[in-house]
Parts: sequence; C-alpha cells; structure tokens
Amino acid sequence: EAGVVQSPRYKIIEKKQPVAFWCNPISGHNTLYWYRQNLGQGPELLIRYENEEAVDDSQLPKDRFSAERLKGVDSTLKIQPAELGDSAVYLCASSFTLQGVRGYTFGSGTRLTVV
Amino acid sequence: ELKVEQNPLFLSMQEGKNYTIYCNYSTTSDRLYWYRQDPGKSLESLFVLLSNGAVKQEGRLMASLDTKARLSTLHITAAVHDLSATYFCAVDGSGGGADGLTFGKGTHLIIQP
Repeated sequence: EAGVVQSPRYKIIEKKQPVAFWCNPISGHNTLYWYRQNLGQGPELLIRYENEEAVDDSQLPKDRFSAERLKGVDSTLKIQPAELGDSAVYLCASSFTLQGVRGYTFGSGTRLTVV
Repeated sequence: ELKVEQNPLFLSMQEGKNYTIYCNYSTTSDRLYWYRQDPGKSLESLFVLLSNGAVKQEGRLMASLDTKARLSTLHITAAVHDLSATYFCAVDGSGGGADGLTFGKGTHLIIQP
C-alpha cells in the first residue's frame, strides 16, 4: 500500500505567485482532508471532502485558496496569490472506518516557503 | 468550538526518567488519537482511544483516556533518546461523521543522555 502521496515535497515561491499542491489518497478512502501546519503548531483543518463533495470548507480562506477533488480520488489545493503568511506545511490525509474505528493516514506534506 | 490543550508544550528530560504528557479537550467526543512527528516528517499514528477508561501500551509509551474528565495522558516510562519527537493529541469531531481531527499544539520532547 503506497499510503497518501503528496507532491511536491518542497516549494519556494515569491509572494503574489500562484501555487498548487497535489494529493493522492489511499485507494478506497472516501474522505480526504487538507490541513495546514504552521511552524511549532498542530495541524489545522482547511477542508474535508466526502468523495468529490467538499462537505466542510469553513476554515478555507476562500479569497485566495481553492481546492478540488475531481472524480472523488486525487485532490489539488491552490493558493492564488500567495502571501508571506501562507508559509507552512500543507498536509493531506485520508480516512477509513473499520469495525467502527476511524483511522487517519497522513501524507508527508508539502513545505511551502513564500519569499 | 472544539479546543484541545496539551501540556507541557516543551519537555526536556533525561534518559531513564518517567514523565506524563496531558491532553485536555472541550467536547464530549470519546475518540482520542495520539501522533508522533519527527522533524521534517509527517504524522505517525501511535494510539487510538475509543472509550472511557481505555488504556493502550506500546513499548515505553502508554496512553489512557478519561472521557468524563475530558483528559488523556501519554506516559513515558524509562525514556530513551529515540523517543525525542513532537507528540500531538487530537480529537475526532463529535458530529458522528468523518469530521476530521482537531489537534493540540504538540509537546516537543527532548530526551538527553
């Protein structure tokens, strides 16, 4: 099992430029999450998908952030334009439920630096 | 709004000592997760606690859950250097669906020889 795959691992961009992150969840995991982790902090949920539907995007800064999950499999998260404060690690996770127990698997993350 | 608080946030300890990390949360959820994160790495699942009184142990780590007190603990026994990492507790949403995890700020643990 490949796990949750994210790319790129690192990205350095100038402020006001666009950037996109990609995530391929574990096969069969219908629920996908994007989290942002600032330095020295815990991850914070940005958006949650159930299949291709965004069911919770209340924490997504919609003026500059967008996300999509076409066909309910892989997902992209976009920032346009990026600001200095967007520098963080962006984590993708997917979840499954087995015998009533929900398990979450996180990808390795994309470390974004905005200069 | 669900809040998860960990303490301490930073902990430096010597090998061979015991210590406990505390995690308080503000909801009635009974699903509590512990993760480990090494520098520059992603989150590694340690424990999933699903009911009041649940206790799980793996090696030198033991986690417990008291849903009435809304408190979970992660106890480290006879610490070794390899356990140096940041430890997060996280609570699953209380809505019954796949609400996602709300994390504490993490406990940065340094174990010195």
